[in-house]
Amino acid sequence: GAGVSQSPSNKVTEKGKDVELRCDPISGHTALYWYRQSLGQGLEFLIYFQGNSAPDKSGLPSDRFSAERTGGSVSTLTIQRTQQEDSAVYLCASSPGGASNQPQHFGDGTRLSIL
Amino acid sequence: AQSVTQLDSQVPVFEEAPVELRCNYSSSVSVYLFWYVQYPNQGLQLLLKYLSGSTLVKGINGFEAEFNKSQTSFHLRKPSVHISDTAEYFCALDRGSTLGRLYFGRGTQLTVWP
Repeated sequence: GAGVSQSPSNKVTEKGKDVELRCDPISGHTALYWYRQSLGQGLEFLIYFQGNSAPDKSGLPSDRFSAERTGGSVSTLTIQRTQQEDSAVYLCASSPGGASNQPQHFGDGTRLSIL
Repeated sequence: AQSVTQLDSQVPVFEEAPVELRCNYSSSVSVYLFWYVQYPNQGLQLLLKYLSGSTLVKGINGFEAEFNKSQTSFHLRKPSVHISDTAEYFCALDRGSTLGRLYFGRGTQLTVWP
């Protein structure tokens, strides 16, 4: 079956522009995660959605970052007024539930470059 | 607080040699531990996981890892590597709560030379 799908695979934009990154989780997976992978910081947790519960936003680095998940499926990560330090690979993952013993399945990521 | 330390940022080895990638963790609560592999321009793929039970866990591609609670370690091993094992390897920790978020180490780049 299909895995986690992310789009676009690459995005280049100018500093100050807004960007939207999309994640299609595996069908039936109720838990969805966003991570950021950058050279200086490694892999960082950003946000977590589980079913209809309020998302865990504790990893979002600033109020320029937001995410939503519509209908318990597709998620969009939005970065407003992008800065050069936002350049990174943004990875999405999903799992069947939010329990710790259910491994996360990752997409191939969106490589974001801010000029 | 939870943290994961991968002691080696790069590990070069020759083909068919054994390899060990080291991972140490700190946590005030019981944890679940994972190893993921990342090939260039791809996402992370699960190699193996420790949840409970036997401390020696076997994963895909001939890898195994041993959970050592007293040394707070979860080192990854393979007795004989192939060139196709060249990739970046990440150790990750889950607090064992219902949150499921992962805390990652900085990664170890394994390069296998012919």
